[in-house]
Amino acid sequence: GAGVSQTPSNKVTEKGKYVELRCDPISGHTALYWYRQSLGQGPEFLIYFQGTGAADDSGLPNDRFFAVRPEGSVSTLKIQRTERGDSAVYLCASSRYTNVKTSTYNEQFFGPGTRLTVL
Amino acid sequence: AQSVAQPEDQVNVAEGNPLTVKCTYSVSGNPYLFWYVQYPNRGLQFLLKYITGDNLVKGSYGFEAEFNKSQTSFHLKKPSALVSDSALYFCAVRDITRSGAGSYQLTFGKGTKLSVIP
Repeated sequence: GAGVSQTPSNKVTEKGKYVELRCDPISGHTALYWYRQSLGQGPEFLIYFQGTGAADDSGLPNDRFFAVRPEGSVSTLKIQRTERGDSAVYLCASSRYTNVKTSTYNEQFFGPGTRLTVL
Repeated sequence: AQSVAQPEDQVNVAEGNPLTVKCTYSVSGNPYLFWYVQYPNRGLQFLLKYITGDNLVKGSYGFEAEFNKSQTSFHLKKPSALVSDSALYFCAVRDITRSGAGSYQLTFGKGTKLSVIP
């Protein structure tokens, strides 16, 4: 079946501009994650959705970053007043429902990422 | 806090030889452990996971990993390397004893570049 898709694949913007990055998860996956990968580093967690709500946004670096998932499927990561330090690859991942009580943990499947360059 | 260390930035191995990519972890409780592979201009692909049970886990493309609790390690192995295995490999951990929504996030290592030489 189709995997996680992300658009655009590349985004170049100027410092101070607003950008939106889109993620379309695997059909039926209720959990959705955003990560950021800087050059030479592993992915760093940003935010996690279970359904429509952000269950954990502890990884968002500051209030310029915001993400939504209004219908429990597609998610948009929004960055206001972009800075050069925001340049990175933004990865989206999805997984089937994860149940804390039963410790059922399903692996995350990643999209190809959006490469954001802030000039 | 949970963390992952991949002590080698790069591993070179001749085609047909066995390969090992090292990973050690630190969590306050019990870990879930994962290996992902990243090819150029492509997303991370899941290789294998350790949740519970046998310490030797088998995954995709002939890879396996051994969980060693006493050494807090989860090294990735393959008996015979292929040139097509050349890629960036990431180890990741989740602390299953953390409660609350934050326990779902993965913490990744910095990655190890594997080069298989023909």
